[in-house]
Amino acid sequence: GIQVEQSPPDLILQEGANSTLRCNFSDSVNNLQWFHQNPWGQLINLFYIPSGTKQNGRLSATTVATERYSLLYISSSQTTDSGVYFCFCWVDAGNMLTFGGGTRLMVKP
Amino acid sequence: NAGVTQTPKFQVLKTGQSMTLQCAQDMNHNSMYWYRQDPGMGLRLIYYSASEGTTDKGEVPNGYNVSRLNKREFSLRLESAAPSQTSVYFCASNDRGGKPQHFGDGTRLSIL
Repeated sequence: GIQVEQSPPDLILQEGANSTLRCNFSDSVNNLQWFHQNPWGQLINLFYIPSGTKQNGRLSATTVATERYSLLYISSSQTTDSGVYFCFCWVDAGNMLTFGGGTRLMVKP
Repeated sequence: NAGVTQTPKFQVLKTGQSMTLQCAQDMNHNSMYWYRQDPGMGLRLIYYSASEGTTDKGEVPNGYNVSRLNKREFSLRLESAAPSQTSVYFCASNDRGGKPQHFGDGTRLSIL
């Protein structure tokens, strides 16, 4: 199956700082999503980004499918950005779906 | 827009009891999925249904059964609950062909 590795596993930031989260995947995938799991356990869809670059406010993401990695950028971090960020990769055919282990982010005021 | 709705939100069971978790989506999606999330980990696929009338096993199907009742609803059943099945269960749906998955808020299940 697909192997998905996220780095760093843990990250502590001061409010206002910028950060980059990385997701490496082992095989070609045609679907990739970034999620934020908030302290209440809800999975908030941030980006569906199998390739290219997207931006939404302070967040942006880039996937380079040919090199098998994706990056999530958080700028001017806020305490509400705290939680766990997951990269999720899957192939349309069959049951090849894999979540990464997550990056646990804490933003301090 | 309700999206993906899971019931119940919380449940406590005793070992050996049975339980059905319900999931419904109102987005007319063809595919639906059940995942479990153990503490400190990402989600793992239990079963999925690519379309109405079909179901297939995922990574961790043992101890579970599913029913795709119609296009909207996909249920997950624990026939004889075990403490190892204590977890948070998420249902998701999407259309085939390069579309994002939409997740429900989860069911927190504890088995004593």
